[in-house]
Amino acid sequence: GQSLEQPSEVTAVEGAIVQINCTYQTSGFYGLSWYQQHDGGAPTFLSYNGLDGLEETGRFSSFLSRSDSYGYLLLQELQMKDSASYFCAVRVHPLYNQGGKLIFGQGTELSVKP
Amino acid sequence: GAGVSQSPSNKVTEKGKDVELRCDPISGHTALYWYRQSLGQGLEFLIYFQGNSAPDKSGLPSDRFSAERTGGSVSTLTIQRTQQEDSAVYLCASSLVPGRQDTQYFGPGTRLTVL
Repeated sequence: GQSLEQPSEVTAVEGAIVQINCTYQTSGFYGLSWYQQHDGGAPTFLSYNGLDGLEETGRFSSFLSRSDSYGYLLLQELQMKDSASYFCAVRVHPLYNQGGKLIFGQGTELSVKP
Repeated sequence: GAGVSQSPSNKVTEKGKDVELRCDPISGHTALYWYRQSLGQGLEFLIYFQGNSAPDKSGLPSDRFSAERTGGSVSTLTIQRTQQEDSAVYLCASSLVPGRQDTQYFGPGTRLTVL
């Protein structure tokens, strides 16, 4: 089977740093992505790791360790607008074969307090 | 268009009726995906289109579910004889394949309620 584990909820204060972890057990692995979803909205792409290491995009960074089947999303200088659900997702097939089907985690609800 | 659009935004139907959900992907995007999201849950993959063909339909939960894509653009997801467990938000995404990371762009979804 396929499973991705991430915490169900995290609370932090404005200006702080928060890390959302994701561990995965999947039949294949061709990259870990992170998506943000505000309540009632469409998921939007945040970050992607195809190789081990850290990817930085502004206030958001994402890390991957394929040997540990583990990744995390790091959000810095938290703002109220960052309150949302965050999903990790694994692509289980290579793009040239069966395409980019994503297996999603259950999501982490982040609440940012003033 | 500017983004992925879906219609209707909300659909309420009675158990046993058929429903059709529509997705208009971003122009030029060759890949199209359907996902389903139940309340407070993650996204569940349903089907993937590359052009008009569906090389991966492994997520369709039963033969009551079908989907097609025409002209490499618009896609329709059809649910026949709807059941209450079909109630969910149905999300469509498109992407430009191939690409290193295959970023998927999601539509706003169709909220389906089966009474």
